[in-house]
Amino acid sequence: GDSVTQMEGPVTLSEEAFLTINCTYTATGYPSLFWYVQYPGEGLQLLLKATKADDKGSNKGFEATYRKETTSFHLEKGSVQVSDSAVYFCALSVAQTGANNLFFGTGTRLTVIP
Amino acid sequence: DSGVTQTPKHLITATGQRVTLRCSPRSGDLSVYWYQQSLDQGLQFLIQYYNGEERAKGNILERFSAQQFPDLHSELNLSSLELGDSALYFCASSPHGTASTDTQYFGPGTRLTVL
Repeated sequence: GDSVTQMEGPVTLSEEAFLTINCTYTATGYPSLFWYVQYPGEGLQLLLKATKADDKGSNKGFEATYRKETTSFHLEKGSVQVSDSAVYFCALSVAQTGANNLFFGTGTRLTVIP
Repeated sequence: DSGVTQTPKHLITATGQRVTLRCSPRSGDLSVYWYQQSLDQGLQFLIQYYNGEERAKGNILERFSAQQFPDLHSELNLSSLELGDSALYFCASSPHGTASTDTQYFGPGTRLTVL
């Protein structure tokens, strides 16, 4: 079946450190891949997405590249800020018979300390 | 602000009771999705509606049901509530909901506490 495996957290980094959160997937078809972010007390916000192999999604300094050969979609940021502290979810969607629900990873909590 | 609204924000009720959660999608979006977020199960897809019709079902219990009305708002009904139903319930919407490339926009959620 379709699933996402996400790097276990929590992750604690100092401000300006480099961030990588690993995400790998299993999909029966050709998925689209997403990173969502959840700030404390809020809903999920789309951070970035990629819809085909070798696509790179980017937003707010975050990047992720859709790697079909390694079935991965790792999230990276060169220099994190305190305001990046949140829970990050990797997700995939595979359109099937008119439906396209999201399958989420377990989430990775990031804390950035000054 | 995603444009998706959910009411109520918080709901506290007792075991055995029934509650209704409401969602209004972004203007123009035809698909509505419901997800449950709990500590032990993570984020799980419950059900999808597209333009009033059910499109997909996930791990939704038989005690739970949903519908999408002609004005495209949706309601999730939870009955015979159990302690384990305590969770954050999210609604999301997307323009179409038939393509994997469609982005889903999430509401702020309804926190349900069953005592």
